[in-house]
Amino acid sequence: GAGVSQSPSNKVTEKGKDVELRCDPISGHTALYWYRQSLGQGLEFLIYFQGNSAPDKSGLPSDRFSAERTGGSVSTLTIQRTQQEDSAVYLCASSVHIRGGELFFGEGSRLTVL
Amino acid sequence: AQSVTQLGSHVSVSEGALVLLRCNYSSSVPPYLFWYVQYPNQGLQLLLKYTSAATLVKGINGFEAEFKKSETSFHLTKPSAHMSDAAEYFCAVSQIRGSQGNLIFGKGTKLSVKP
Repeated sequence: GAGVSQSPSNKVTEKGKDVELRCDPISGHTALYWYRQSLGQGLEFLIYFQGNSAPDKSGLPSDRFSAERTGGSVSTLTIQRTQQEDSAVYLCASSVHIRGGELFFGEGSRLTVL
Repeated sequence: AQSVTQLGSHVSVSEGALVLLRCNYSSSVPPYLFWYVQYPNQGLQLLLKYTSAATLVKGINGFEAEFKKSETSFHLTKPSAHMSDAAEYFCAVSQIRGSQGNLIFGKGTKLSVKP
Protein backbone atom coordinates (compact mmCIF):
# COMPACT_ATOMS: atom_id res chain seq x y z
CA GLY A 1 0.00 0.00 0.00
CA ALA A 2 0.92 3.64 -0.10
CA GLY A 3 1.63 3.89 3.61
CA VAL A 4 1.83 1.87 6.81
CA SER A 5 -1.59 0.55 7.67
CA GLN A 6 -2.65 -0.44 11.16
CA SER A 7 -5.82 -2.12 12.36
CA PRO A 8 -7.96 -1.74 14.29
CA SER A 9 -7.67 2.01 14.68
CA ASN A 10 -9.55 1.79 17.97
CA LYS A 11 -10.07 -1.18 20.26
CA VAL A 12 -11.94 -1.24 23.53
CA THR A 13 -11.64 -4.45 25.51
CA GLU A 14 -12.29 -5.79 28.96
CA LYS A 15 -9.53 -6.56 31.39
CA GLY A 16 -8.30 -10.12 30.98
CA LYS A 17 -9.16 -10.44 27.28
CA ASP A 18 -6.58 -11.03 24.56
CA VAL A 19 -6.12 -8.54 21.73
CA GLU A 20 -4.33 -8.62 18.40
CA LEU A 21 -3.05 -5.53 16.64
CA ARG A 22 -2.06 -5.70 13.02
CA CYS A 23 0.50 -3.76 11.00
CA ASP A 24 0.84 -3.82 7.25
CA PRO A 25 4.10 -2.09 6.30
CA ILE A 26 5.01 -0.31 3.11
CA SER A 27 5.65 -2.83 0.36
CA GLY A 28 9.34 -3.68 0.09
CA HIS A 29 10.25 -2.44 3.57
CA THR A 30 12.23 -5.14 5.32
CA ALA A 31 12.39 -3.50 8.75
CA LEU A 32 9.32 -3.13 10.96
CA TYR A 33 9.03 -1.57 14.41
CA TRP A 34 6.46 -1.47 17.20
CA TYR A 35 6.24 1.40 19.67
CA ARG A 36 3.82 2.16 22.49
CA GLN A 37 2.72 5.71 23.17
CA SER A 38 1.22 6.40 26.56
CA LEU A 39 -0.01 9.76 27.80
CA GLY A 40 2.93 11.75 29.10
CA GLN A 41 5.37 8.90 28.48
CA GLY A 42 6.49 9.53 24.95
CA LEU A 43 7.19 6.58 22.68
CA GLU A 44 8.38 3.35 24.21
CA PHE A 45 10.28 1.01 21.88
CA LEU A 46 8.85 -2.51 22.00
CA ILE A 47 10.40 -4.64 19.27
CA TYR A 48 11.76 -4.55 15.75
CA PHE A 49 11.88 -7.05 12.91
CA GLN A 50 14.42 -7.38 10.15
CA GLY A 51 12.60 -9.65 7.75
CA ASN A 52 10.77 -12.18 9.90
CA SER A 53 13.42 -12.16 12.61
CA ALA A 54 13.20 -10.20 15.86
CA PRO A 55 16.77 -10.03 17.19
CA ASP A 56 15.87 -8.26 20.42
CA LYS A 57 12.65 -8.80 22.34
CA SER A 58 13.81 -7.15 25.55
CA GLY A 59 11.63 -4.09 24.95
CA LEU A 60 8.41 -6.03 25.34
CA PRO A 61 6.91 -4.97 28.73
CA SER A 62 6.02 -8.46 29.94
CA ASP A 63 5.55 -12.03 28.80
CA ARG A 64 1.93 -11.19 28.03
CA PHE A 65 3.22 -9.34 24.96
CA SER A 66 4.34 -11.15 21.84
CA ALA A 67 4.85 -10.22 18.21
CA GLU A 68 5.39 -12.06 15.00
CA ARG A 69 5.93 -11.25 11.38
CA THR A 70 5.25 -13.56 8.50
CA GLY A 71 6.31 -13.45 4.89
CA GLY A 72 8.46 -10.41 5.59
CA SER A 73 5.31 -8.33 5.53
CA VAL A 74 2.40 -8.18 7.97
CA SER A 75 3.13 -8.15 11.69
CA THR A 76 0.84 -8.91 14.60
CA LEU A 77 1.31 -7.67 18.15
CA THR A 78 -0.61 -9.81 20.63
CA ILE A 79 -1.38 -8.83 24.20
CA GLN A 80 -2.71 -11.63 26.37
CA ARG A 81 -4.78 -11.14 29.51
CA THR A 82 -4.90 -7.37 29.02
CA GLN A 83 -4.52 -5.05 31.98
CA GLN A 84 -5.59 -1.43 32.36
CA GLU A 85 -1.98 -0.28 32.18
CA ASP A 86 -1.83 -1.68 28.65
CA SER A 87 -4.11 1.15 27.50
CA ALA A 88 -2.09 3.20 25.01
CA VAL A 89 -1.63 3.93 21.33
CA TYR A 90 0.42 1.24 19.63
CA LEU A 91 2.39 2.62 16.69
CA CYS A 92 3.96 0.62 13.91
CA ALA A 93 6.66 1.90 11.58
CA SER A 94 8.62 0.46 8.70
CA SER A 95 11.79 1.33 6.83
CA VAL A 96 13.60 0.00 3.80
CA HIS A 97 16.21 -1.69 5.99
CA ILE A 98 17.29 -1.61 9.63
CA ARG A 99 20.43 0.28 8.60
CA GLY A 100 18.94 2.64 6.10
CA GLY A 101 15.99 4.76 5.25
CA GLU A 102 13.49 6.90 7.01
CA LEU A 103 10.91 5.44 9.35
CA PHE A 104 7.35 5.72 8.11
CA PHE A 105 4.72 5.51 10.82
CA GLY A 106 1.16 4.29 10.74
CA GLU A 107 -1.58 6.21 12.51
CA GLY A 108 -1.63 3.79 15.38
CA SER A 109 -4.07 1.49 17.15
CA ARG A 110 -5.63 3.03 20.25
CA LEU A 111 -6.23 0.36 22.87
CA THR A 112 -8.48 1.00 25.85
CA VAL A 113 -8.71 -1.66 28.53
CA LEU A 114 -11.71 -1.26 30.83
CA ALA B 1 23.04 2.90 26.10
CA GLN B 2 21.38 5.64 24.13
CA SER B 3 18.88 8.07 25.61
CA VAL B 4 17.23 11.37 24.83
CA THR B 5 16.03 14.13 27.13
CA GLN B 6 13.64 16.80 25.94
CA LEU B 7 13.47 19.83 28.20
CA GLY B 8 9.94 21.13 28.61
CA SER B 9 6.86 19.01 27.99
CA HIS B 10 4.96 22.11 26.85
CA VAL B 11 6.22 25.18 24.99
CA SER B 12 4.00 28.10 24.04
CA VAL B 13 5.01 30.83 21.59
CA SER B 14 3.25 33.63 19.78
CA GLU B 15 2.75 33.47 16.04
CA GLY B 16 5.84 34.91 14.35
CA ALA B 17 8.10 34.29 17.35
CA LEU B 18 11.16 32.07 17.46
CA VAL B 19 10.57 28.39 18.19
CA LEU B 20 13.23 26.59 20.25
CA LEU B 21 12.69 23.01 21.34
CA ARG B 22 15.52 21.48 23.35
CA CYS B 23 16.97 18.00 23.05
CA ASN B 24 20.01 16.49 24.74
CA TYR B 25 21.23 13.01 23.99
CA SER B 26 23.43 10.35 25.48
CA SER B 27 25.05 7.85 23.17
CA SER B 28 27.90 5.37 23.43
CA VAL B 29 28.46 5.49 19.67
CA PRO B 30 28.48 8.36 17.17
CA PRO B 31 24.79 9.19 17.15
CA TYR B 32 22.24 9.49 14.44
CA LEU B 33 19.67 12.02 15.66
CA PHE B 34 16.17 12.81 14.49
CA TRP B 35 13.25 15.14 15.05
CA TYR B 36 9.74 13.91 14.36
CA VAL B 37 6.43 15.79 14.47
CA GLN B 38 3.04 14.36 15.39
CA TYR B 39 -0.14 16.22 14.52
CA PRO B 40 -3.30 15.31 16.46
CA ASN B 41 -4.57 11.78 15.73
CA GLN B 42 -1.83 11.14 13.22
CA GLY B 43 1.35 9.10 13.09
CA LEU B 44 4.81 10.58 13.33
CA GLN B 45 6.44 12.37 10.42
CA LEU B 46 10.16 12.95 9.99
CA LEU B 47 11.15 16.62 10.22
CA LEU B 48 14.90 16.28 9.86
CA LYS B 49 17.85 14.04 10.67
CA TYR B 50 21.54 14.23 11.50
CA THR B 51 23.63 11.34 10.18
CA SER B 52 27.20 12.63 10.65
CA ALA B 53 27.33 14.93 7.65
CA ALA B 54 26.68 18.67 8.09
CA THR B 55 26.10 19.69 11.70
CA LEU B 56 23.39 22.19 10.75
CA VAL B 57 20.48 20.26 9.34
CA LYS B 58 17.55 21.79 7.53
CA GLY B 59 14.20 20.06 7.50
CA ILE B 60 10.69 20.53 6.27
CA ASN B 61 8.40 23.44 7.11
CA GLY B 62 11.32 25.81 7.83
CA PHE B 63 12.70 23.87 10.80
CA GLU B 64 16.38 23.31 11.38
CA ALA B 65 18.56 21.75 14.07
CA GLU B 66 22.21 21.96 14.97
CA PHE B 67 24.25 19.02 16.23
CA LYS B 68 26.64 20.18 18.98
CA LYS B 69 28.84 17.35 20.15
CA SER B 70 30.44 19.39 22.94
CA GLU B 71 27.00 20.07 24.42
CA THR B 72 25.47 16.70 23.42
CA SER B 73 22.57 18.71 22.06
CA PHE B 74 20.36 18.70 18.99
CA HIS B 75 17.95 21.59 19.54
CA LEU B 76 15.18 22.28 17.02
CA THR B 77 14.53 25.86 15.88
CA LYS B 78 12.31 27.81 13.54
CA PRO B 79 12.72 31.58 13.12
CA SER B 80 9.02 32.40 12.90
CA ALA B 81 6.23 30.23 14.29
CA HIS B 82 3.06 29.60 12.33
CA MET B 83 -0.26 28.45 13.70
CA SER B 84 0.10 25.23 11.71
CA ASP B 85 3.25 24.35 13.69
CA ALA B 86 1.13 23.47 16.72
CA ALA B 87 1.87 19.78 17.30
CA GLU B 88 3.95 17.45 19.43
CA TYR B 89 7.63 17.15 18.61
CA PHE B 90 9.84 14.18 19.42
CA CYS B 91 13.62 13.98 19.44
CA ALA B 92 15.13 10.54 18.85
CA VAL B 93 18.48 8.77 18.75
CA SER B 94 19.29 5.56 16.97
CA GLN B 95 19.99 2.50 19.09
CA ILE B 96 22.14 0.86 16.46
CA ARG B 97 25.24 2.50 15.04
CA GLY B 98 24.61 3.57 11.50
CA SER B 99 20.92 2.82 11.65
CA GLN B 100 18.13 5.23 10.87
CA GLY B 101 15.60 2.97 12.47
CA ASN B 102 15.39 1.32 15.85
CA LEU B 103 15.04 4.67 17.54
CA ILE B 104 14.84 5.73 21.17
CA PHE B 105 12.47 8.69 21.54
CA GLY B 106 12.24 11.47 24.07
CA LYS B 107 8.99 12.10 25.91
CA GLY B 108 7.98 14.82 23.49
CA THR B 109 7.33 18.54 23.64
CA LYS B 110 3.91 19.88 22.83
CA LEU B 111 4.13 23.18 20.98
CA SER B 112 1.27 25.67 21.21
CA VAL B 113 1.16 28.75 18.97
CA LYS B 114 -0.87 31.75 20.12
CA PRO B 115 -2.35 34.16 17.60
